[in-house]
Amino acid sequence: DAGVIQSPRHEVTEMGQEVTLRCKPISGHNSLFWYRQTMMRGLELLIYFNNNVPIDDSGMPEDRFSAKMPNASFSTLKIQPSEPRDSAVYFCASSFRQGTYEQYFGPGTRLTVT
Amino acid sequence: KQEVTQIPAALSVPEGENLVLNCSFTDSAIYNLQWFRQDPGKGLTSLLLIQSSQREQTSGRLNASLDKSSGRSTLYIAASQPGDSATYLCAVPISGGGADGLTFGKGTHLIIQP
Repeated sequence: DAGVIQSPRHEVTEMGQEVTLRCKPISGHNSLFWYRQTMMRGLELLIYFNNNVPIDDSGMPEDRFSAKMPNASFSTLKIQPSEPRDSAVYFCASSFRQGTYEQYFGPGTRLTVT
Repeated sequence: KQEVTQIPAALSVPEGENLVLNCSFTDSAIYNLQWFRQDPGKGLTSLLLIQSSQREQTSGRLNASLDKSSGRSTLYIAASQPGDSATYLCAVPISGGGADGLTFGKGTHLIIQP
């Protein structure tokens, strides 16, 4: 299995631009999670989906952030407009919603907003 | 609100030593606990997952224990090697359930000196 796939791996953009991060979960997994990691706050959950349905988006910092999961094999996290304080590493993770619920993480997208 | 604390924040030891990393959590009603490893600039690799009904899990030189009643877990690394140098993160489900997103500690930054 290829594991969780994220793209792009690095993104540099100017303040005010729209940013779209992409994630492909492990085939067969039915839960998908978006996390953000910063030096100050560590790893924080932004939103997660079960069977493509958003369950908890309380971690989404502002209305500028939105996430979708149109099908079981694809999810996007969009920031519009982006701000310098959004600079962070964004991780996607997936799990099978049964058994151990072990989460597997992608390599992350390092976002820099100038 | 579930909070996770990891002690120590950093640790530097010579190669060959056995060492213990500590994790504590405030709400003992957890479904499981995961230990991850993160190398600089990389994603998270799942090391061990302990179910709430289990007391410990072992993988090679790693052993993780769980004491739910006291809200503690330890990760024991035997015969440490320079390749073990990384940040080790402990995580539990935010609301206790297995299908939830995770809340993380700030990690222990481990350096093994050759």
